[in-house]
Amino acid sequence: SQQGEEDPQALSIQEGENATMNCSYKTSINNLQWYRQNSGRGLVHLILIRSNEREKHSGRLRVTLDTSKKSSSLLITASRAADTASYFCATDGTDTGRRALTFGSGTRLQVQP
Amino acid sequence: DTGVSQNPRHKITKRGQNVTFRCDPISEHNRLYWYRQTLGQGPEFLTYFQNEAQLEKSRLLSDRFSAERPKGSFSTLEIQRTEQGDSAMYLCASSLAGTGHSNQPQHFGDGTRLSIL
Repeated sequence: SQQGEEDPQALSIQEGENATMNCSYKTSINNLQWYRQNSGRGLVHLILIRSNEREKHSGRLRVTLDTSKKSSSLLITASRAADTASYFCATDGTDTGRRALTFGSGTRLQVQP
Repeated sequence: DTGVSQNPRHKITKRGQNVTFRCDPISEHNRLYWYRQTLGQGPEFLTYFQNEAQLEKSRLLSDRFSAERPKGSFSTLEIQRTEQGDSAMYLCASSLAGTGHSNQPQHFGDGTRLSIL
């Protein structure tokens, strides 16, 4: 299985509600990143949290990281229909020489207007 | 537009044919990555360049796959003797070099969707 695994696989909420997505991973990391992907498009970087950080905010996004539990969460507050997309966590491992990100299978978020 | 550009956006070909995709990264980015994404899954790493040097290849990159970045700018990914299982979205991303082993955020193109008939 992939390094990062998101939970839930799919989430449907009403506009204005908050959406929480979780990510678990298996190995030690330098950082963890969250990306968003609209259907048929490439991924867009949302936020990066380093292994020595516990929480980070960017606009309506809040990311937490618990390295003891090897888990992260992404909270989108006051969701909008335009937030409908797939959301992926990606980990940057500490393996020597490893530069590639390892992505999970994503959470598909549907925000109903 | 100064983002990552990939061409073509769509490629339909018969099994056994060779295909080549091109990626133009953000000009000041020295790292370039290729990923493959199948429906409902996250991107899977294929290979990575720092400038013109190909520094890492995934086990997914069989001997039918080859990637180049001859002048450290654009990159090409070629698949020879295509198979049905090669049908996927091929994504390119670029980034600046991070400090030590740490990665910087990656900027993705919109991908090339390959369909093998």
